[in-house]
Amino acid sequence: SAVISQKPSRDICQRGTSLTIQCQVDSQVTMMFWYRQQPGQSLTLIATANQGSEATYESGFVIDKFPISRPNLTFSTLTVSNMSPEDSSIYLCSVEGQTQYFGPGTRLLVL
Amino acid sequence: AQKVTQAQTEISVVEKEDVTLDCVYETRDTTYYLFWYKQPPSGELVFLIRRNSFDEQNEISGRYSWNFQKSTSSFNFTITASQVVDSAVYFCALSERRRGSEKLVFGKGTKLTVNP
Repeated sequence: SAVISQKPSRDICQRGTSLTIQCQVDSQVTMMFWYRQQPGQSLTLIATANQGSEATYESGFVIDKFPISRPNLTFSTLTVSNMSPEDSSIYLCSVEGQTQYFGPGTRLLVL
Repeated sequence: AQKVTQAQTEISVVEKEDVTLDCVYETRDTTYYLFWYKQPPSGELVFLIRRNSFDEQNEISGRYSWNFQKSTSSFNFTITASQVVDSAVYFCALSERRRGSEKLVFGKGTKLTVNP
């Protein structure tokens, strides 16, 4: 199974600022995924990040708000831009291997 | 469109009781995968099982068992002799293969509380 780490594990941010979340995998993977889990809700896919190409965003999510980088096969970042309290969520990255493995998540609170 | 329904929002049981978490799905794909994940209060998602749509055999892993019924589009999860450590939110998910990658569609989750 893949071992995935995320930084930061949690943060409290002011509205209008941006936060970049890092996701590191212990093996090379083709696809990395970013999910959002709003308080008390289920997980929703934000985008799929393939190394060497632009991320593919799901309906309701745009690159200006959630820019993603995928510089190599073991690393990706998600930026939450111009944050508002509605962005308070857990953000999780995942990778596709024998199954889909998830990172520990980043708990974000926007004041 | 893919859809996963977990009708039970919250379940509360007493330790050592058996409990079944229901999952019903909708898909037009002929090949798909079904998953169960556990999310304890700490927040991480713990993978429990992945089942291929062609494999309808029931699976047992310790106190956990899964019943896959393709005829009723259900993939139910049973915990036998529940323990306090089983308290968590449990998510059922369905894979959707699009553009060469496997996207997961999650149900809303069932919060299980096991009381001592």
